[in-house]
Amino acid sequence: AQSVSQHNHHVILSEAASLELGCNYSYGGTVNLFWYVQYPGQHLQLLLKYFSGDPLVKGIKGFEAEFIKSKFSFNLRKPSVQWSDTAEYFCALGGSYIPTFGRGTSLIVHP
Amino acid sequence: NAGVTQTPKFRVLKTGQSMTLLCAQDMNHEYMYWYRQDPGMGLRLIHYSVGEGTTAKGEVPDGYNVSRLKKQNFLLGLESAAPSQTSVYFCASSSLAGYQETQYFGPGTRLLVL
Repeated sequence: AQSVSQHNHHVILSEAASLELGCNYSYGGTVNLFWYVQYPGQHLQLLLKYFSGDPLVKGIKGFEAEFIKSKFSFNLRKPSVQWSDTAEYFCALGGSYIPTFGRGTSLIVHP
Repeated sequence: NAGVTQTPKFRVLKTGQSMTLLCAQDMNHEYMYWYRQDPGMGLRLIHYSVGEGTTAKGEVPDGYNVSRLKKQNFLLGLESAAPSQTSVYFCASSSLAGYQETQYFGPGTRLLVL
């Protein structure tokens, strides 16, 4: 069985603060990893993904994530958040046939 | 391209009523999915389809039925709605299986069952 755990359920930051959202997964085989973002009132959209190769993946809007196989982690980072980054963030694991989503992290950025 | 569209956007039902949610995609994707999103629960897969004429159960299929008669459409049916089905429903599609490829999501349908 595969699973995804997002430890931070709610994060509140001020603009220009650095961000790191945790994502840990459980799966014994080859993994594909995704981060999706859902802005208020909108649908989910892809932020970045890792399939293979360089474990440091860069996505849209200045986000990046690092795949650390030994830690079963795929944490999302941004050096300086903006008010417009206020959204819900979902980590997803593609291991077996169907992707598994984490419970999401709600990020609020204060101006 | 419209991408993935869902109708209706919002619906209120009484317990026991039935309804169908329509998902349409214009990207010629083989795979389509129905999820429900509840606070603190993330996205949970209800049913999915790997191609026209095929459907399969996901994590929380009870109380729902689906059909994929045309490649571009994936219908989600509630035969007898219950308050526990109050949720936001998202449809998604992908060209390859979702674990291999990016999923494209629709705007969602908010359903309230009284």
